[in-house]
Amino acid sequence: NAGVTQTPKFQVLKTGQSMTLQCAQDMNHEYMSWYRQDPGMGLRLIHYSVGAGITDQGEVPNGYNVSRSTTEDFPLRLLSAAPSQTSVYFCATARGTEAFFGQGTRLTVV
Amino acid sequence: AQSVSQHNHHVILSEAASLELGCNYSYGGTVNLFWYVQYPGQHLQLLLKYFSGDPLVKGIKGFEAEFIKSKFSFNLRKPSVQWSDTAEYFCAAGGSQGNLIFGKGTKLSVKP
Repeated sequence: NAGVTQTPKFQVLKTGQSMTLQCAQDMNHEYMSWYRQDPGMGLRLIHYSVGAGITDQGEVPNGYNVSRSTTEDFPLRLLSAAPSQTSVYFCATARGTEAFFGQGTRLTVV
Repeated sequence: AQSVSQHNHHVILSEAASLELGCNYSYGGTVNLFWYVQYPGQHLQLLLKYFSGDPLVKGIKGFEAEFIKSKFSFNLRKPSVQWSDTAEYFCAAGGSQGNLIFGKGTKLSVKP
């Protein structure tokens, strides 16, 4: 039982490049979400999903896309990376109101 | 607007000192409250949570928090901190679906 698995753990991108941050869970939780963590800002919700085929925007969705084709996977796509997207990204699932976090992806955009 | 405020950005204590980290929230409807801890280089771990019932909630590692509805507060306490408690602490509020609103975090540094 791996819980919430994020890949990659570290990534460096050039401005304008695209990439997908992967998130997979084996807990059969309906709810999944993506947060970004920046110094002094806490965690801010990017996008979330309440089940396969359903996604919605969080507090800071601009520059990010998501899809949820299965219960297990919730990838986060950066279509054209910008330096402002340099951050640590956390994927989380939730059972009821309790969230479970992945180990994070540290992304640097140069 | 929904929000969570943490009063202290950085707290420095000596070992065995008592800890209280402030958290205030603004949230419409029924609110669930959480404290998470993030040790250096690691992901968030749940310390404790409040859904309903006894407003004094005990968590892991000797932490506790008190929900005071009239003050919209959920302060975290520990009677005697250890060097291993050095970490960043996040207060969060959420509704029924797992959407969490986080405070900006409080860094705790414990001097041995």
